[in-house]
Amino acid sequence: QVQLQQWGAGLLKPSETLSLTCAVYGDSISGYYWSWIRQSPGKGLEWIGEVNHGGSADYNPALQSRVSMSVDTSKNQVSLRLTSVTASDTAVYYCARVQVLELFGWFDPWGQGTLVTVSS
Amino acid sequence: DIQMTQSPSSLSASEGDRVTITCRASQNIGSSLNWYQQKPGQAPKLLIYVASTLESGVPSRFSGSGSVTDFTLTISSLQREDFATYFCQQSARTPHTFGRGTKLEIK
Repeated sequence: QVQLQQWGAGLLKPSETLSLTCAVYGDSISGYYWSWIRQSPGKGLEWIGEVNHGGSADYNPALQSRVSMSVDTSKNQVSLRLTSVTASDTAVYYCARVQVLELFGWFDPWGQGTLVTVSS
Repeated sequence: DIQMTQSPSSLSASEGDRVTITCRASQNIGSSLNWYQQKPGQAPKLLIYVASTLESGVPSRFSGSGSVTDFTLTISSLQREDFATYFCQQSARTPHTFGRGTKLEIK
C-alpha cells in the first residue's frame, strides 16, 4: 500500500520561499507523475503542477513564474518550492500520485496535507 | 482553464436517502472526470475515476455517470459515514481543475 508522508515549514513571512517535501513509501517514484495540490477556503482545490522521476514538470500557468518541483530518486522523495509567497498562498498543501490509464489520469493516493500560513 | 461547476453546493439528507450531485464542465472533457470524498481534517480520497469506474474498496452504493460536459455522482442509500464533502475534477487538460465541492450534511 502506497503512503505519502509530507513535511515542511508551516509559517512563512511574505516574500519568503515555501519548501515542502513528500516521501513515498511502498512504491518507487519511478514510472509516475507526482502532483502538488493546494486547498484554501477562497480558491478551493488548486492544482499546482506535477513532476516525473526524470524531472520533467508541468506547472499551473497561474503559478509558473514562482513554482518549481524536483525529485530525489535516491530518497524516493518529491519536493515543491514556491517563491515570493503572499497571504494568498496560505493553504493546505497536498502531494498526490498521478495514476494514468491510457489518456486518463487521477490523483491517488494523497499525502496527509501540510498547512502553510503566510503572515507577517 | 476548464471551469468545473458543481451543484448543489450543500445538501441535507437522511440515512437511506438517494442523492445525486452534478458536475458540469465548461467544455468537452470526454470521460476525463474524477470524484473525490473529503472528510474534515483529512485529504481527499478517490471514489470514482474516468467518470464511472469505482475505485477498489469503495462501496457499490456510489456510482458515477456522464460524459462530454455533464456528470453525476449518485449515492444510492446514504450511510452515516458518507456525510462529507464531494469534489469533481477534470483531467482532460492542464491545468487540472476541481469543482468547489458539495457538502453533504445530515438532515
